[in-house]
Amino acid sequence: AQSVTQLDSHVSVSEGTPVLLRCNYSSSYSPSLFWYVQHPNKGLQLLLKYTSAATLVKGINGFEAEFKKSETSFHLTKPSAHMSDAAEYFCVVSTTDSWGKLQFGAGTQVVVTP
Amino acid sequence: NAGVTQTPKFRILKIGQSMTLQCAQDMNHNYMYWYRQDPGMGLKLIYYSVGAGITDKGEVPNGYNVSRSTTEDFPLRLELAAPSQTSVYFCASSYSSSLTGAFFGQGTRLTVV
Repeated sequence: AQSVTQLDSHVSVSEGTPVLLRCNYSSSYSPSLFWYVQHPNKGLQLLLKYTSAATLVKGINGFEAEFKKSETSFHLTKPSAHMSDAAEYFCVVSTTDSWGKLQFGAGTQVVVTP
Repeated sequence: NAGVTQTPKFRILKIGQSMTLQCAQDMNHNYMYWYRQDPGMGLKLIYYSVGAGITDKGEVPNGYNVSRSTTEDFPLRLELAAPSQTSVYFCASSYSSSLTGAFFGQGTRLTVV
């Protein structure tokens, strides 16, 4: 069984300040972990993925995430928020026994203020 | 590159009507999925397919049916629409079982009244 908990449903940041989105996961097998972003009325775009290689993963648009097995966490960060980062972010887990089925967290809504 | 294409983008159905949501991918992916997205709930898996002729239920399959006659197409059928099926539906596809993540379509916003 696998599950994902996103610890914040809403995050508000000022433009130019760091962004931290927190995600904890639970998995019976070695997980693959992903962050997806969804802009308003749009589909989902893959930001980055962890698949058992380097624990610090860099993605698009300056985002990165660190896989910490001891803490079962996969937090997403960005050093400096941009107005275009306002969107909903989903932490997602998958395992090799699950036929690629993705288990989504509930999402974190990010608001960026000028 | 078309990727994953869903049609229609929007639809309003009356209770008891039927419809098919279309999904096509041109990336030769074996794995395809249907998810629904409800506010504050993330995405829930409805059905998935690991190849042509092979489908299986996901987390929330009741009220839906699927078929996979070709690698490219994975339609989702609603037989008797109910208000609880008001949602945004996403089709996705992936190449391997878990390592690559999935590519998503733009979604179909369905309202049942």
